[in-house]
Amino acid sequence: DTGVSQNPRHKITKRGQNVTFRCDPISEHNRLYWYRQTLGQGPEFLTYFQNEAQLEKSRLLSDRFSAERPKGSFSTLEIQRTEQGDSAMYLCASSLVGGWGYTFGSGTRLTVV
Amino acid sequence: ELKVEQNPLFLSMQEGKNYTIYCNYSTTSDRLYWYRQDPGKSLESLFVLLSNGAVKQEGRLMASLDTKARLSTLHITAAVHDLSATYFCAVAWNNDMRFGAGTRLTVKP
Repeated sequence: DTGVSQNPRHKITKRGQNVTFRCDPISEHNRLYWYRQTLGQGPEFLTYFQNEAQLEKSRLLSDRFSAERPKGSFSTLEIQRTEQGDSAMYLCASSLVGGWGYTFGSGTRLTVV
Repeated sequence: ELKVEQNPLFLSMQEGKNYTIYCNYSTTSDRLYWYRQDPGKSLESLFVLLSNGAVKQEGRLMASLDTKARLSTLHITAAVHDLSATYFCAVAWNNDMRFGAGTRLTVKP
């Protein structure tokens, strides 16, 4: 297992377009998290899954954002009708239930022009 | 809502000097993390602190946790240029983590 994998690494999109990112966690990890990091800030929690169930969503996750984790394996984060304020690094992390270690992926950097 | 505050936010120091980064948090938690982030890169785990009085050291970095004061410190000893990065503390909250704003450290020759 090579760790948490995120695709694409970079995405440039025009305002108003929809984008989708993918995260493949460490295979035995049953928890998966999405964070957003803007320039010069710490990561902000967006949502997390335990297996296929989405258990918590931040108020930052507006109705334009949706996340899924079908079958409890990989996850996707979709942003509809992108806005310039959505430009950020989107980080995925995974962990085991009851474990205290989180492994982060390399992130997807989104630029909305 | 948990608040995590780091200070300083920016730190410029000379090689060979010592300094401490502080992380305060507002609500009881049983775990505190320190991460390093290089520009354009993801987060690298440095330390996980699990109990009051916990101290961990790796090379020139030492982290400690005082859960009663809700304070963690990251001490840098005899800084070298390779330590230049942004350092984040993160506090376990519900079933995830909440991060501080980060301390951008620059070590100058």
